[in-house]
Amino acid sequence: ETGVTQSPTHLIKTRGQQVTLRCSSQSGHNTVSWYQQALGQGPQFIFQYYREEENGRGNFPPRFSGLQFPNYSSELNVNALELDDSALYLCASSLEAAPGYEQYFGPGTRLTVT
Amino acid sequence: AQSVAQPEDQVNVAEGNPLTVKCTYSVSGNPYLFWYVQYPNRGLQFLLKYITGDNLVKGSYGFEAEFNKSQTSFHLKKPSALVSDSALYFCAVRDLANQAGTALIFGKGTTLSVSS
Repeated sequence: ETGVTQSPTHLIKTRGQQVTLRCSSQSGHNTVSWYQQALGQGPQFIFQYYREEENGRGNFPPRFSGLQFPNYSSELNVNALELDDSALYLCASSLEAAPGYEQYFGPGTRLTVT
Repeated sequence: AQSVAQPEDQVNVAEGNPLTVKCTYSVSGNPYLFWYVQYPNRGLQFLLKYITGDNLVKGSYGFEAEFNKSQTSFHLKKPSALVSDSALYFCAVRDLANQAGTALIFGKGTTLSVSS
Protein backbone atom coordinates (compact mmCIF):
# COMPACT_ATOMS: atom_id res chain seq x y z
CA GLU A 1 0.00 0.00 0.00
CA THR A 2 1.54 3.31 -1.10
CA GLY A 3 1.27 6.20 1.34
CA VAL A 4 0.63 9.84 0.60
CA THR A 5 3.37 11.42 -1.48
CA GLN A 6 4.05 15.07 -2.19
CA SER A 7 6.26 16.93 -4.65
CA PRO A 8 8.46 18.81 -4.66
CA THR A 9 10.11 18.45 -1.26
CA HIS A 10 11.42 21.99 -1.17
CA LEU A 11 10.69 25.06 -3.24
CA ILE A 12 11.99 28.62 -3.26
CA LYS A 13 9.91 31.31 -4.96
CA THR A 14 9.94 35.08 -5.20
CA ARG A 15 7.15 37.30 -3.92
CA GLY A 16 4.47 37.76 -6.57
CA GLN A 17 5.16 34.48 -8.32
CA GLN A 18 2.81 31.51 -8.59
CA VAL A 19 3.44 27.97 -7.32
CA THR A 20 1.87 24.53 -7.81
CA LEU A 21 2.28 21.76 -5.26
CA ARG A 22 1.30 18.17 -5.97
CA CYS A 23 -0.07 15.31 -3.90
CA SER A 24 -0.84 11.67 -4.55
CA SER A 25 -3.36 10.23 -2.16
CA GLN A 26 -3.13 6.86 -0.48
CA SER A 27 -4.56 3.99 -2.50
CA GLY A 28 -8.34 3.73 -2.07
CA HIS A 29 -8.74 7.22 -0.59
CA ASN A 30 -11.12 9.60 -2.38
CA THR A 31 -10.68 12.69 -0.21
CA VAL A 32 -7.73 15.06 -0.07
CA SER A 33 -7.22 17.95 2.32
CA TRP A 34 -4.50 20.58 2.31
CA TYR A 35 -3.01 22.27 5.36
CA GLN A 36 -0.50 25.06 5.89
CA GLN A 37 1.92 24.69 8.79
CA ALA A 38 3.87 27.83 9.67
CA LEU A 39 7.05 27.44 11.69
CA GLY A 40 6.27 26.61 15.32
CA GLN A 41 2.54 26.33 14.71
CA GLY A 42 0.00 23.60 14.21
CA PRO A 43 -1.36 22.93 10.72
CA GLN A 44 -4.17 25.16 9.44
CA PHE A 45 -6.87 23.74 7.17
CA ILE A 46 -6.89 25.24 3.69
CA PHE A 47 -9.53 23.16 1.86
CA GLN A 48 -10.88 19.69 1.16
CA TYR A 49 -11.47 18.01 -2.19
CA TYR A 50 -13.90 15.15 -2.58
CA ARG A 51 -14.59 13.51 -5.94
CA GLU A 52 -12.96 16.41 -7.79
CA GLU A 53 -14.99 19.13 -6.05
CA GLU A 54 -13.94 21.56 -3.33
CA ASN A 55 -16.41 21.02 -0.51
CA GLY A 56 -15.04 23.04 2.35
CA ARG A 57 -12.52 25.80 2.88
CA GLY A 58 -10.66 27.35 5.77
CA ASN A 59 -9.82 31.01 6.27
CA PHE A 60 -7.59 31.40 3.21
CA PRO A 61 -7.97 33.92 0.37
CA PRO A 62 -9.04 32.92 -3.16
CA ARG A 63 -5.45 33.06 -4.42
CA PHE A 64 -5.19 29.64 -2.77
CA SER A 65 -6.90 27.24 -5.15
CA GLY A 66 -6.84 23.56 -5.87
CA LEU A 67 -7.73 20.71 -8.14
CA GLN A 68 -8.47 17.05 -7.71
CA PHE A 69 -8.08 14.62 -10.59
CA PRO A 70 -10.05 11.46 -11.44
CA ASN A 71 -7.35 9.32 -9.81
CA TYR A 72 -7.87 11.44 -6.64
CA SER A 73 -4.46 13.07 -6.78
CA SER A 74 -4.50 16.79 -6.10
CA GLU A 75 -2.77 20.11 -6.69
CA LEU A 76 -2.55 23.20 -4.57
CA ASN A 77 -1.98 26.45 -6.45
CA VAL A 78 -0.98 29.70 -4.81
CA ASN A 79 -0.97 32.91 -6.85
CA ALA A 80 0.68 36.23 -6.05
CA LEU A 81 2.92 34.74 -3.41
CA GLU A 82 3.50 36.72 -0.23
CA LEU A 83 6.31 36.38 2.30
CA ASP A 84 3.81 35.01 4.85
CA ASP A 85 3.07 32.09 2.52
CA SER A 86 6.41 30.59 3.56
CA ALA A 87 5.44 27.38 5.35
CA LEU A 88 5.26 23.61 5.20
CA TYR A 89 2.30 22.56 3.05
CA LEU A 90 0.79 19.24 4.03
CA CYS A 91 -1.52 17.09 2.01
CA ALA A 92 -3.69 14.50 3.74
CA SER A 93 -5.93 11.83 2.30
CA SER A 94 -8.79 9.93 3.90
CA LEU A 95 -11.03 7.06 2.95
CA GLU A 96 -14.11 9.29 2.86
CA ALA A 97 -15.00 12.95 3.27
CA ALA A 98 -17.28 12.33 6.24
CA PRO A 99 -16.22 13.39 9.72
CA GLY A 100 -14.37 10.94 11.89
CA TYR A 101 -12.18 9.32 9.28
CA GLU A 102 -8.53 9.62 10.16
CA GLN A 103 -6.32 11.46 7.74
CA TYR A 104 -3.00 10.19 6.44
CA PHE A 105 -0.47 12.93 5.85
CA GLY A 106 2.31 13.24 3.33
CA PRO A 107 5.79 14.49 4.27
CA GLY A 108 4.99 17.99 3.09
CA THR A 109 6.45 20.58 0.73
CA ARG A 110 8.58 23.28 2.32
CA LEU A 111 7.87 26.57 0.49
CA THR A 112 10.13 29.56 1.01
CA VAL A 113 9.07 32.92 -0.43
CA THR A 114 11.79 35.56 -0.69
CA ALA B 1 -15.02 30.22 18.50
CA GLN B 2 -13.78 26.66 18.41
CA SER B 3 -10.26 26.04 19.61
CA VAL B 4 -7.73 23.58 20.91
CA ALA B 5 -5.16 24.37 23.58
CA GLN B 6 -1.99 22.49 24.43
CA PRO B 7 -0.81 24.32 27.54
CA GLU B 8 2.71 22.91 27.58
CA ASP B 9 5.23 23.72 24.87
CA GLN B 10 7.51 20.94 26.12
CA VAL B 11 7.20 17.87 28.31
CA ASN B 12 10.29 16.12 29.64
CA VAL B 13 10.16 12.59 31.05
CA ALA B 14 12.64 9.85 31.80
CA GLU B 15 12.49 6.60 29.87
CA GLY B 16 10.26 4.08 31.62
CA ASN B 17 8.20 6.72 33.40
CA PRO B 18 4.57 7.46 32.52
CA LEU B 19 3.91 10.44 30.29
CA THR B 20 0.98 12.81 29.84
CA VAL B 21 0.56 15.41 27.13
CA LYS B 22 -2.33 17.75 27.86
CA CYS B 23 -5.06 19.00 25.55
CA THR B 24 -8.20 21.00 26.18
CA TYR B 25 -10.79 21.96 23.61
CA SER B 26 -13.69 24.31 23.05
CA VAL B 27 -16.39 23.36 20.54
CA SER B 28 -20.10 24.03 20.24
CA GLY B 29 -21.30 20.47 19.94
CA ASN B 30 -20.05 16.91 20.29
CA PRO B 31 -16.31 16.89 19.66
CA TYR B 32 -14.40 14.61 17.34
CA LEU B 33 -10.90 14.56 18.84
CA PHE B 34 -7.60 13.37 17.41
CA TRP B 35 -3.95 13.02 18.34
CA TYR B 36 -1.18 13.13 15.75
CA VAL B 37 2.59 12.86 16.09
CA GLN B 38 5.17 14.56 13.89
CA TYR B 39 8.77 13.42 13.58
CA PRO B 40 11.42 15.74 12.10
CA ASN B 41 11.11 16.20 8.34
CA ARG B 42 8.07 13.96 8.21
CA GLY B 43 4.34 14.47 7.97
CA LEU B 44 1.89 13.87 10.76
CA GLN B 45 1.07 10.34 11.82
CA PHE B 46 -2.33 9.42 13.24
CA LEU B 47 -2.23 8.05 16.82
CA LEU B 48 -5.83 7.80 17.98
CA LYS B 49 -9.26 9.40 17.91
CA TYR B 50 -12.37 9.82 20.00
CA ILE B 51 -15.72 9.98 18.25
CA THR B 52 -18.13 8.42 20.71
CA GLY B 53 -18.31 5.57 23.20
CA ASP B 54 -15.74 4.59 25.81
CA ASN B 55 -13.95 7.61 27.25
CA LEU B 56 -10.62 5.76 27.25
CA VAL B 57 -9.30 5.37 23.73
CA LYS B 58 -6.36 3.17 22.85
CA GLY B 59 -4.18 3.91 19.87
CA SER B 60 -0.91 3.17 18.14
CA TYR B 61 2.47 2.55 19.82
CA GLY B 62 0.93 1.99 23.27
CA PHE B 63 -0.62 5.45 23.53
CA GLU B 64 -4.05 6.09 24.98
CA ALA B 65 -6.15 9.15 25.67
CA GLU B 66 -8.97 9.92 28.04
CA PHE B 67 -11.92 12.00 26.98
CA ASN B 68 -13.33 14.09 29.83
CA LYS B 69 -16.43 16.00 28.81
CA SER B 70 -16.83 17.95 32.06
CA GLN B 71 -13.24 19.22 31.90
CA THR B 72 -13.27 19.48 28.08
CA SER B 73 -9.97 17.64 27.99
CA PHE B 74 -8.42 14.89 25.90
CA HIS B 75 -5.02 14.15 27.46
CA LEU B 76 -2.61 11.76 25.76
CA LYS B 77 -0.97 9.16 28.00
CA LYS B 78 1.47 6.29 27.90
CA PRO B 79 2.34 4.08 30.88
CA SER B 80 6.04 3.74 30.06
CA ALA B 81 7.86 6.23 27.83
CA LEU B 82 10.48 5.26 25.26
CA VAL B 83 13.29 7.44 23.92
CA SER B 84 11.81 6.84 20.47
CA ASP B 85 8.60 8.59 21.60
CA SER B 86 10.47 11.90 21.47
CA ALA B 87 8.62 13.99 18.87
CA LEU B 88 6.10 16.79 18.38
CA TYR B 89 2.54 15.93 19.37
CA PHE B 90 -0.58 17.64 18.10
CA CYS B 91 -4.10 17.52 19.45
CA ALA B 92 -6.88 18.35 16.99
CA VAL B 93 -10.64 18.73 16.96
CA ARG B 94 -13.01 18.58 14.04
CA ASP B 95 -14.10 22.08 12.98
CA LEU B 96 -17.87 21.84 13.35
CA ALA B 97 -18.32 25.22 11.66
CA ASN B 98 -16.78 23.95 8.42
CA GLN B 99 -18.81 21.89 5.97
CA ALA B 100 -15.71 19.86 5.17
CA GLY B 101 -15.80 16.70 7.22
CA THR B 102 -12.02 16.50 7.42
CA ALA B 103 -11.43 20.10 8.54
CA LEU B 104 -9.43 19.95 11.75
CA ILE B 105 -8.35 22.65 14.17
CA PHE B 106 -4.92 21.83 15.57
CA GLY B 107 -3.24 22.94 18.75
CA LYS B 108 0.22 24.50 18.62
CA GLY B 109 1.87 21.24 19.51
CA THR B 110 3.83 19.88 22.46
CA THR B 111 7.39 18.68 22.14
CA LEU B 112 7.93 15.47 24.08
CA SER B 113 11.49 14.75 25.11
CA VAL B 114 12.26 11.36 26.65
CA SER B 115 15.69 10.99 28.25
CA SER B 116 17.52 7.70 28.69
